[in-house]
Amino acid sequence: AQSVTQPDARVTVSEGASLQLRCKYSYFGTPYLFWYVQYPRQGLQLLLKYYPGDPVVQGVNGFEAEFSKSNSSFHLRKASVHWSDWAVYFCAVRGNMGYKLTFGTGTSLLVDP
Amino acid sequence: EAAVTQSPRNKVAVTGGKVTLSCNQTNNHNNMYWYRQDTGHGLRLIHYSYGAGSTEKGDIPDGYKASRPSQENFSLILELATPSQTSVYFCASGDQNTEVFFGKGTRLTVV
Repeated sequence: AQSVTQPDARVTVSEGASLQLRCKYSYFGTPYLFWYVQYPRQGLQLLLKYYPGDPVVQGVNGFEAEFSKSNSSFHLRKASVHWSDWAVYFCAVRGNMGYKLTFGTGTSLLVDP
Repeated sequence: EAAVTQSPRNKVAVTGGKVTLSCNQTNNHNNMYWYRQDTGHGLRLIHYSYGAGSTEKGDIPDGYKASRPSQENFSLILELATPSQTSVYFCASGDQNTEVFFGKGTRLTVV
């Protein structure tokens, strides 16, 4: 069965500092991986997606993520965090032939001014 | 722009009552999903569909039914609502080679 683990329920960073949010996936086969962001009382919006190819993918607002098959990871990074990045971030996995999208439990990002 | 519309946006139901949450997508996507979101659990998949007339059980289907009468519409049905089903429900649509697009959510309170 496919699954996603986001080990950090909450991360606090200072504005302007760099950020890494961790994501580990479990999937037997070729995974498609996603990072979504949820702002307060809103739905989820796609930040970036990985389809098999270049392991480093770029997303919106300066976010990027790196796929590692050996580590079964898809960590999200940003070089300089802005206060508007305060949100909940979800990692998700789907198979290349599957329909089922499975999410992690999310990481709440808090930004210190 | 891809659009997924949920109705109602807010609902208060009584225990034992029937609740229907509706979802409409104008993306012509084959796949549609119903998730619930609870603190500490993230998003959990209840039911999904890969086309009109099909429904599949997700990870937590107990107490829920789904209906996909057309490509555009996908409903989630609670025949006998319970307080444990108080949650925020999200509908989504997508295809094999596209991202999944989400609606704005329905906040359901069962009293």
